[in-house]
Amino acid sequence: GQSLEQPSEVTAVEGAIVQINCTYQTSGFYGLSWYQQHDGGAPTFLSYNALDGLEETGRFSSFLSRSDSYGYLLLQELQMKDSASYFCAAILTGGGNKLTFGTGTQLKVEL
Amino acid sequence: DVKVTQSSRYLVKRTGEKVFLECVQDMDHENMFWYRQDPGLGLRLIYFSYDVKMKEKGDIPEGYSVSREKKERFSLILESASTNQTSMYLCASSSSQAGEQYFGPGTRLTVT
Repeated sequence: GQSLEQPSEVTAVEGAIVQINCTYQTSGFYGLSWYQQHDGGAPTFLSYNALDGLEETGRFSSFLSRSDSYGYLLLQELQMKDSASYFCAAILTGGGNKLTFGTGTQLKVEL
Repeated sequence: DVKVTQSSRYLVKRTGEKVFLECVQDMDHENMFWYRQDPGLGLRLIYFSYDVKMKEKGDIPEGYSVSREKKERFSLILESASTNQTSMYLCASSSSQAGEQYFGPGTRLTVT
């Protein structure tokens, strides 16, 4: 079956850098996406990696290594508003932009 | 602005009732999805549709069916609601292979 593993919780202080890891076991892997979800809110798209390497979008960066079946989301200059759940999601071949999500990492940012 | 709307934010139904959850997107997207989200389990795909009248089962389709008669609307149907279908239901749409899906606000369904 398809599975994506993430740590369940990560805690960091405001202003710090935090890395959220995601290892995956899927067949027909096409790429890796990251989503943010605040409590009571809808998931929102953060980034997408189709190729190996680092993609940077402002304070957030995402990395993919296909050979290691591994990716991570890097959040820099942490702010209190970054406290949320973060999900990695594998895009699978077969059309339709179908995603399989990890179980999510709850990030707590403290003063 | 991109928008996905869902018919209800909160819904309470009784065991055995037929339940309809509606989702509408205004972005002319080909692909639409229904997920359920439960604590500790992430988002799990129930059904998706890549075109009008086309549908495919996701990872947990048992107890659910879907309907897509128009491009902008995707309905999730619980034929006979059961207590284990109490959950948050999220609809999403997308147009490309770029891993980006747009989510609605969710419907929190309670089956008693």
